[in-house]
Amino acid sequence: KAGVTQTPRYLIKTRGQQVTLSCSPISGHRSVSWYQQTPGQGLQFLFEYFSETQRNKGNFPGRFSGRQFSNSRSEMNVSTLELGDSALYLCASSLADRYTEAFFGQGTRLTVV
Amino acid sequence: DAKTTQPNSMESNEEEPVHLPCNHSTISGTDYIHWYRQLPSQGPEYVIHGLTSNVNNRMASLAIAEDRKSSTLILHRATLRDAAVYYCIAQGGSEKLVFGKGTKLTVNP
Repeated sequence: KAGVTQTPRYLIKTRGQQVTLSCSPISGHRSVSWYQQTPGQGLQFLFEYFSETQRNKGNFPGRFSGRQFSNSRSEMNVSTLELGDSALYLCASSLADRYTEAFFGQGTRLTVV
Repeated sequence: DAKTTQPNSMESNEEEPVHLPCNHSTISGTDYIHWYRQLPSQGPEYVIHGLTSNVNNRMASLAIAEDRKSSTLILHRATLRDAAVYYCIAQGGSEKLVFGKGTKLTVNP
């Protein structure tokens, strides 16, 4: 079956702009989580959605937001981009059961200039 | 979620076993121990997970200490493709995975 698909793979934005990243989970997976990965901070949890509801949220400013659609596809949005938002953004989907694994996409590489 | 401690890096030779340690002394009784790895330029990949008993799958084995304060991921015969950063995670009651800095495994030919 198809894996987790993230689009776009690469993105360059200017400071102050906003950006929307997309994630299509594995068919049947209802939980979608987002992570930010930077060389300095490593992999950090952003938020998790299940059945269109945000269930968990990490310690990120309100400029980072997300949503999930009825087909489980998810988007995350970052407004008023800062240079420090340059990172690899990873999406993971799972069956929403901590007894099973999360499947990660290849990520979206965001560069803010 | 309990904090985990892993060595920053380890080296192994190809076709030899590798034992990757992880300490999680504050783990609660219901936290699962998960291992993920991240190959260069890829997203993390699930390796194995367990609660109390040792676990085996086609990729690796997980040995969990009786007091659950530590665990060891065992790669039975390392290959060059196993070179990656390995993360040990003590997952609590949510989907959130708290990644530490992991162990960078280098496999020498």
